[in-house]
Amino acid sequence: SQQGEEDPQALSIQEGENATMNCSYKTSINNLQWYRQNSGRGLVHLILIRSNEREKHSGRLRVTLDTSKKSSSLLITASRAADTASYFCATLSQGAQKLVFGQGTRLTINP
Amino acid sequence: EAGVAQSPRYKIIEKRQSVAFWCNPISGHATLYWYQQILGQGPKLLIQFQNNGVVDDSQLPKDRFSAERLKGVDSTLKIQPAKLEDSAVYLCASSIGTGTGNTIYFGEGSWLTVV
Repeated sequence: SQQGEEDPQALSIQEGENATMNCSYKTSINNLQWYRQNSGRGLVHLILIRSNEREKHSGRLRVTLDTSKKSSSLLITASRAADTASYFCATLSQGAQKLVFGQGTRLTINP
Repeated sequence: EAGVAQSPRYKIIEKRQSVAFWCNPISGHATLYWYQQILGQGPKLLIQFQNNGVVDDSQLPKDRFSAERLKGVDSTLKIQPAKLEDSAVYLCASSIGTGTGNTIYFGEGSWLTVV
């Protein structure tokens, strides 16, 4: 079963612009994680935000978490062509030990 | 540090044939996962091991899929007999443990096409 749902499903922007992807989930979580997947490759862990955190930064990435709305957003600032990939949110529910992924957002950065 | 190793990278088989995928996790990682990712979808957990014990296999189609991690290190995932809908990428991943802050590291995946 898919826990997280990303929005939009696909996003195409110009290089240099900011990209924002959203993730909504259904049950209470321990943490929420964002992963990147380049075409034909495995998933790469980007950032983890715990349920008691509201915002985290890592380089050009900014993740927010609103547990009252059961939603998270991933912001990539000053996008580059190399950021072209699919981005997935994944949630670790309270009491569970497995990470459940959403369907992903396919991001295309146009040069 | 070596990452999660998987083989083969690509496999094409006919339906009703069998296939096996192998995974070597990062050294010292007690938890090993097999995910199935159908094109255009997010990964779906098939089975999760903690050392050589199964933690979760609720979404593993046990009539045709099997997985083992006999010595708590390497793991194999087998499909027998394969169906067309098994065409997917099979991702192996590992983590130090199942703690809530543990990062999961993924291999490059084994791409299966069933014809």
